[in-house]
Amino acid sequence: AQKVTQAQTEISVVEKEDVTLDCVYETRDTTYYLFWYKQPPSGELVFLIRRNSFDEQNEISGRYSWNFQKSTSSFNFTITASQVVDSAVYFCALRTPPSGTYKYIFGTGTRLKVLA
Amino acid sequence: GAVVSQHPSWVICKSGTSVKIECRSLDFQATTMFWYRQFPKQSLMLMATSNEGSKATYEQGVEKDKFLINHASLTLSTLTVTSAHPEDSSFYICSARAPGTSVNNEQFFGPGTRLTVL
Repeated sequence: AQKVTQAQTEISVVEKEDVTLDCVYETRDTTYYLFWYKQPPSGELVFLIRRNSFDEQNEISGRYSWNFQKSTSSFNFTITASQVVDSAVYFCALRTPPSGTYKYIFGTGTRLKVLA
Repeated sequence: GAVVSQHPSWVICKSGTSVKIECRSLDFQATTMFWYRQFPKQSLMLMATSNEGSKATYEQGVEKDKFLINHASLTLSTLTVTSAHPEDSSFYICSARAPGTSVNNEQFFGPGTRLTVL
């Protein structure tokens, strides 16, 4: 069975602190894709990153970085020097074959509150 | 980037009435659209996958006669909640797939429609 677990329901940090959001996934497929989305209070999901199962390189994009560890089935997301505008719900998602379906399995999300 | 719109953004209706929600891809043709439901402080749950010109594929547990999906054109999919009841109150989100665009961002999400059934 496929499953995505985001154990952290809610995290509060003070502005400028670094914060890591955890994502653990389960799948028996060898080919799969992982995603992170941001959902601000407005509700619209904002795409952050896609990672395929064969690419374990960590990625950095500005203040955002992602750590993909197949050995622990984790795809964690770190925000460096957090800002109030980072406050949102963050979802990790998994897509597995068969190809062409593009169905996502979302985690339950982590609500991040960045306090000024 | 590709833009997906939803209309209405919010709707309040009486129990027993039907509500139609539209999902449009504004600047691209979407061969596949997806409908999700999100209850407060919960995750997105896929309801159905809609392919243009064919019947929607519903996820297990989703009543296809209650949630009617029509994908009549490459830019429009509609979700009709028939005989709505208070338990149908939720945030409904659509997404659209645009083949040939960015390989990383596979689906473009709409802003969602908040349905409240009184």
